Amino acid sequence: AQSVTQPDIHITVSEGASLELRCNYSYGATPYLFWYVQSPGQGLQLLLKYFSGDTLVQGIKGFEAEFKRSQSSFNLRKPSVHWSDAAEYFCAGGRVEYGNKLVFGAGTILRVKS
Amino acid sequence: GAGVSQSPRYKVTKRGQDVTLRCDPISSHATLYWYQQALGQGPEFLTYFNYEAQPDKSGLPSDRFSAERPEGSISTLTIQRTEQRDSAMYRCASSIGLASTGELFFGEGSRLTVL
Repeated sequence: AQSVTQPDIHITVSEGASLELRCNYSYGATPYLFWYVQSPGQGLQLLLKYFSGDTLVQGIKGFEAEFKRSQSSFNLRKPSVHWSDAAEYFCAGGRVEYGNKLVFGAGTILRVKS
Repeated sequence: GAGVSQSPRYKVTKRGQDVTLRCDPISSHATLYWYQQALGQGPEFLTYFNYEAQPDKSGLPSDRFSAERPEGSISTLTIQRTEQRDSAMYRCASSIGLASTGELFFGEGSRLTVL
């Protein structure tokens, strides 16, 4: 069965510090991979996506993620965190042959301290 | 519409009552998905539609849950004889179609509380 794992439930970083959120996937073949962000009372907003090609993808709000096939990982990074980045982040995977239904990780809550 | 719209945003009901949640997807989108998100968890797939067809409803937790999309546009998710364990955020998403590379656009969700 397909699965996506986010090992960290909570992460706290200082404003201005760098950030890395971990994501691992288990699929029969390489899935499409996504990072979504959820702020309180808001819907899920797409940060970035990986389909194929360049393994380093850039997203909105200064985020990037690197796909590493050998580690089955798709970690999200940001060089300098802003207080407004505090939110819950979800990694997700999908495949066309599964109807593009996304399998989500459990999420990582990011807290930013000033 | 310009985005995915869900209603109601909040619903409180008593155990045993039926509830219906509505999703209005982006107008050009062929596929529509329903997810259930319990507190502290990621969204869990319930079912999806491709136009009016429903190819996969494997995630529906029981036969109390059903979904429709009769004209290939607006969809409803109905939960009959609600139970407290049904309390969750229900999220709807749409995408361009099955031939696309899978980006889903989500609505703001409907939060259901069963007392």
